[in-house]
Order: sequence, then structure tokens, then C-alpha cells
Amino acid sequence: GQNIDQPTEMTATEGAIVQINCTYQTSGFNGLFWYQQHAGEAPTFLSYNVLDGLEEKGRFSSFLSRSKGYSYLLLKELQMKDSASYLCAVMDSNYQLIWGAGTKLIIKP
Amino acid sequence: SQTIHQWPATLVQPVGSPLSLECTVEGTSNPNLYWYRQAAGRGLQLLFYSVGIGQISSEVPQNLSASRPQDRQFILSSKKLLLSDSGFYLCAWRRQGRDTGELFFGEGSRLTVL
Repeated sequence: GQNIDQPTEMTATEGAIVQINCTYQTSGFNGLFWYQQHAGEAPTFLSYNVLDGLEEKGRFSSFLSRSKGYSYLLLKELQMKDSASYLCAVMDSNYQLIWGAGTKLIIKP
Repeated sequence: SQTIHQWPATLVQPVGSPLSLECTVEGTSNPNLYWYRQAAGRGLQLLFYSVGIGQISSEVPQNLSASRPQDRQFILSSKKLLLSDSGFYLCAWRRQGRDTGELFFGEGSRLTVL
């Protein structure tokens, strides 16, 4: 079966750095997405990786290793507004998105 | 620019009552359209997707149905709601021919079945 694993919850301090991991087992791979979802709101797109390596976008970076079935989202200089759930999703061989359950990130002052 | 809207935002319905959630996309043509459900602490579950008017693919057998009467309109329906239908429903779109393109989500509809 297809599976996406990410931690259920993480806590970090304002101004610090946090890394959210995602491991996947899917039938084929056509890219990995990270979305941010604030409580009660719709997910918004953060990043897309299809090749191995690091993609940097401001305070957020996303890394992919296809051979290991592994990705992480790195958030730097954490702000209180970064408190949200972070969803990892993999596009399989049929171009359908398989979603993880999300990681709830709690930022403490 | 493209926008997506869905309504109603919040709905409280008794068991056995009907359901209709609507979603419209503006600023693009012939989009791929999707209905997802998100239960608390669970990942997004794809319910239906559509690549064109009248073309609906169902991913999960259930008492829900979807229709696409117009190019940019997607409707989620049920004739008789179950308690298990409670959840956060999200409509989304993606550009045709962009299989690796990102999904854009509507605001979401929170359904509580009592």
C-alpha cells in the first residue's frame, strides 16, 4: 500500500529552527509537495520537489532524497504565525496526490 | 488571476438529511477539479475528481456523489447524510495538462452531522 509518515506534533521556540520530516512509500513518484494549513483554514502551497536536493524559499527550505523516500521541511527564524499544520503529499505514478496526516507545529514564545 | 470559492462555510445537518456543497473557479478554463474530505488528525482523503464537464471519477465508495454541470462548477451531494460524513470538505483545482502542478484549495466547508 501507499504510505506517508510524518510526526503528529512538534514544538519549537520563536526565533529557532525546526525540521519536519516526511517519509513515503508510494507506487511511483512524480514529485513531493509541502502545504501549510492554519487551524480551520484550507491548505496553502509551500514547496514542490521532484529532483534530489534542497529548494530554498525565504525562511522555508525543502529537501528531497528519492532513493531514501525522504523529505524534510526546514523552517528558520520561527515566528508565532508559523504555528500551523504542515502537510506532506506525494504524487504517485497516476499523478494522484497521496497525503500525510500532517504535523501540527506549536511555536512557543 | 484565478480564484476558487466554495459554500457554505459551515453546515450543521441532522442524520438522514440531504447535502449540497458548491464550488466555483474563476479566471481559468477547463480545470481539473477535486473534492477532498479531512477528518480530524487524518490526511486529506480524495473523494471525487473531474477532468471535464460531466466526467466524474469516484475514489471512495460512499453515500456521496459529485456533479460538474458547468466547466468551472463542482457540486458535492448526498441524499441522506450519515454521522460519519462529518468533516472538513475542501474543493480544489489544478491546471489541465499540468500533472505536476500545485493544487489550489477553496476556503473549506465544515460539516457537522448530528
